[in-house]
Amino acid sequence: GAVVSQHPSRVICKSGTSVKIECRSLDFQATTMFWYRQFPKQSLMLMATSNEGSKATYEQGVEKDKFLINHASLTLSTLTVTSAHPEDSSFYICSARIERRNEQFFGPGTRLTVL
Amino acid sequence: GQNIDQPTEMTATEGAIVQINCTYQTSGFNGLFWYQQHAGEAPTFLSYNVLDGLEEKGRFSSFLSRSKGYSYLLLKELQMKDSASYLCAVIGGGSYIPTFGRGTSLIVHP
Repeated sequence: GAVVSQHPSRVICKSGTSVKIECRSLDFQATTMFWYRQFPKQSLMLMATSNEGSKATYEQGVEKDKFLINHASLTLSTLTVTSAHPEDSSFYICSARIERRNEQFFGPGTRLTVL
Repeated sequence: GQNIDQPTEMTATEGAIVQINCTYQTSGFNGLFWYQQHAGEAPTFLSYNVLDGLEEKGRFSSFLSRSKGYSYLLLKELQMKDSASYLCAVIGGGSYIPTFGRGTSLIVHP
């Protein structure tokens, strides 16, 4: 149980375009989902916390107008990278938390390459 | 916030035992995770410690000392597939969201 999927797994786009990444909890309901970014040989950096039905909470230094997060249901959160630039190229990982448990379940990640 | 420190890289021989240390500083400690991450993949859960002591799970064990702000992950009977990055993550400071260390890259050689 506790499977989280992400789509797409890999995306290459041109600079200036927008990219949407989906994160789904497949066999449980996740009131809270998290979006992380990981650069090569670096640790996971939390970008934002996504709560179902409310606005996301962004970490300091993360532009909320550039990284749009929508948590429309208890099983789906989306991250849209708007007007992507090469410096946005990274590994984006979502995770979902089961209510009243501290453990997070991670999606397989999305490798974004902006040309 | 939390300060988490773990070695950047370790090497070990197949079949051997390796211990990966993690030290942390936080207020209101509420748990410590270990995750395994292979290159290009998402982290996978290994262990969760909230009380002092050793938790054993197959070839992997995790130890916690809250008074010392210290944990280690012990890997026995190392296999080549254990080559990966091992992330220590701490929950504290009044938040339920874990903060991740930079990870320890473990290289297992024949």
